[in-house]
Amino acid sequence: DIQMTQSPSSLSASVGDRVTITCRASQTISNFLNWYQQKPGKAPKLLIFAASSLQSGVPSRFSGSGSGTEFTLTISSLQPEDFATYYCQESFTTPIIFGQGTKLEIK
Amino acid sequence: EVQLVESGGGLVQPGGSLRLSCAASGFTFSRYWMYWVRQAPGKGLEWVANINQDGSEQRYVGSVRGRFTASRDNAKNSLYLQMNSLRAEDTAAYYCARVAADGNFYYMDVWGKGTTVTVSS
Repeated sequence: DIQMTQSPSSLSASVGDRVTITCRASQTISNFLNWYQQKPGKAPKLLIFAASSLQSGVPSRFSGSGSGTEFTLTISSLQPEDFATYYCQESFTTPIIFGQGTKLEIK
Repeated sequence: EVQLVESGGGLVQPGGSLRLSCAASGFTFSRYWMYWVRQAPGKGLEWVANINQDGSEQRYVGSVRGRFTASRDNAKNSLYLQMNSLRAEDTAAYYCARVAADGNFYYMDVWGKGTTVTVSS
């Protein structure tokens, strides 16, 4: 099975900061990579699909990049509502694998 | 409004069974693959199973294969997960999710709020 490793596992940042989260795949997955945001007690929400395509309705401060084995999610200017846990997910093979998550906290 | 609503969770003893349901509304259910995803307390997301549009194809994560069965009734716009031989490690919130496609790219664009399964004696 493919392994997906996110870094960092947790991150403290301030409103207005630029933040980057990295996701690495154990083998090449082209750009079959999605990003989700999850707030406590809530279902995940799709942010980015196909590594860099912004889901409809998601603010443009979110962006994704990468291909092959290394991917990034960038939030250009953190807003209070962005403090959450973020997961990458590969859609290259079955079983579908999620990263372990990155918890973004307020500094 | 596009919506998924799970039900059927609860407390069950180890070795017991439970059937989860997911009611879909606001879209043509029969056109979509569907996933079940779970999240153990304080842990990350784990894909559990998927099922194709007509229910003829299902795939499972190794830890549930042979114990869980995904099915669907397109006439009722409903997805199901039959869970047998439950173990403590199956304790989790279970989400159903719609699978959208953009060419060869697949992603979960609609999620239910989840239903909680607790396996304990």
